[in-house]
Amino acid sequence: DGGITQSPKYLFRKEGQNVTLSCEQNLNHDAMYWYRQDPGQGLRLIYYSQIVNDFQKGDIAEGYSVSREKKESFPLTVTSAQKNPTAFYLCATKAGVLAGDRYEQFFGPGTRLTVL
Amino acid sequence: KNQVEQSPQSLIILEGKNCTLQCNYTVSPFSNLRWYKQDTGRGPVSLTIMTFSENTKSNGRYTATLDADTKQSSLHITASQLSDSASYICVASLSGGYNKLIFGAGTRLAVHP
Repeated sequence: DGGITQSPKYLFRKEGQNVTLSCEQNLNHDAMYWYRQDPGQGLRLIYYSQIVNDFQKGDIAEGYSVSREKKESFPLTVTSAQKNPTAFYLCATKAGVLAGDRYEQFFGPGTRLTVL
Repeated sequence: KNQVEQSPQSLIILEGKNCTLQCNYTVSPFSNLRWYKQDTGRGPVSLTIMTFSENTKSNGRYTATLDADTKQSSLHITASQLSDSASYICVASLSGGYNKLIFGAGTRLAVHP
């Protein structure tokens, strides 16, 4: 997990509510990512940010929103528009755009979101 | 379509035995192949990263192989330990852009005493 913190570890949400998942890093990495993991499936990219104040949609961005106001923080909001939000959410970081594609992504410990 | 397929889906072995996990990938343009270990309820941890020019890479008791011609990779675990019980995820990285990662669904390994 290194210097990546995700909170809370477990989160319960009622249908129709928005919730925000926290991701903080002290690795001084430029790039940050949000993934969703469902049983029997590979991780899927929700959003990514390569630099402060900039972010891009991934493969499954609908129903999610993010912000990148600080280098250390990349919070993910799961909105009521996300039809099936129950999943394990993982935040990841990478050294930066110039780090090249061999540089690994470091993952946080994850947040398990359950919709009641 | 870019995709990564892993086999078997799950595997049970006895402590001390060896095992090999398989990965087939269809990714273009291909940059590198990664293996991650994920303990239950935790984030994945990198084991190896290999480019198309690397055939083998080791990390302790873990040895990964890559055949870029057949687009296949394997992860061999030697002298398994109870702590090896986890999911092992094969990941292919695309070249260019933001180097998107394509994840396999993983192989769930259980090591029994």
